Amino acid sequence: EVQLVESGGGLVQPGGSLRLSCAASGFTFSTYWMTWVRQAPGKGLEWVASIKRDGSVKYYVDSVKGRFTISRDNAKNSIYLHMDSLRPEDTAVYYCARWTYSSSYFWLEYWGQGTLLTVST
Amino acid sequence: QTVVTQEPSFSVSPGGTVTLTCGLSSGSVSTSHHPSWYQQTPGQAPRTLIYGINTRSSGVPDRFSGSILGNKAALTITGAQADDESDYYCVLSMGGGLWMFGGGTKLTVL
Repeated sequence: EVQLVESGGGLVQPGGSLRLSCAASGFTFSTYWMTWVRQAPGKGLEWVASIKRDGSVKYYVDSVKGRFTISRDNAKNSIYLHMDSLRPEDTAVYYCARWTYSSSYFWLEYWGQGTLLTVST
Repeated sequence: QTVVTQEPSFSVSPGGTVTLTCGLSSGSVSTSHHPSWYQQTPGQAPRTLIYGINTRSSGVPDRFSGSILGNKAALTITGAQADDESDYYCVLSMGGGLWMFGGGTKLTVL
């Protein structure tokens, strides 16, 4: 059974830093692209960042570029999101999800339950 | 900047049929955008419904179907049930490794 379990959320002051983690199990982790998606309270889903199977390629939404860093440790079956210079508008539930590529299409096949980040004084 | 568009809300009667759409503020949705659809109920993680335009994810009832209608991706629910009342999101590849979700459609079944 595929499982994605996020951790590391909490309350951080504006300008602060935090690292989110996502532990994966039930599949060959190193063969899949992974991603972070967030959802601000009462708002829609927003793609945040994706990372290639070997960690060599990373993509970010413009609003987090230069502040957030996605990384992975294939030996630990985990991805991370290191967040600096946090802003109140970064407050959201952060979901870890797995990309699947099949029949020439990508989609987000599995999702974690999310971890809440609150940026506030 | 091009954005992904969805109807903010839609209403359907139990047993009825509804089609939600996913478009672009500029241009047409095609297979190259890798359209996929997700269902989310309050407090829950999203659930994958449709990928590759019209392939249902494992365990998704066949009353859910996907297509391209005109210049948009579409999600059709045939024979809507009460527990289909949810938020529905599409996501598109915008090129260059970037992805964008639509704003979501809140579906009411009544």
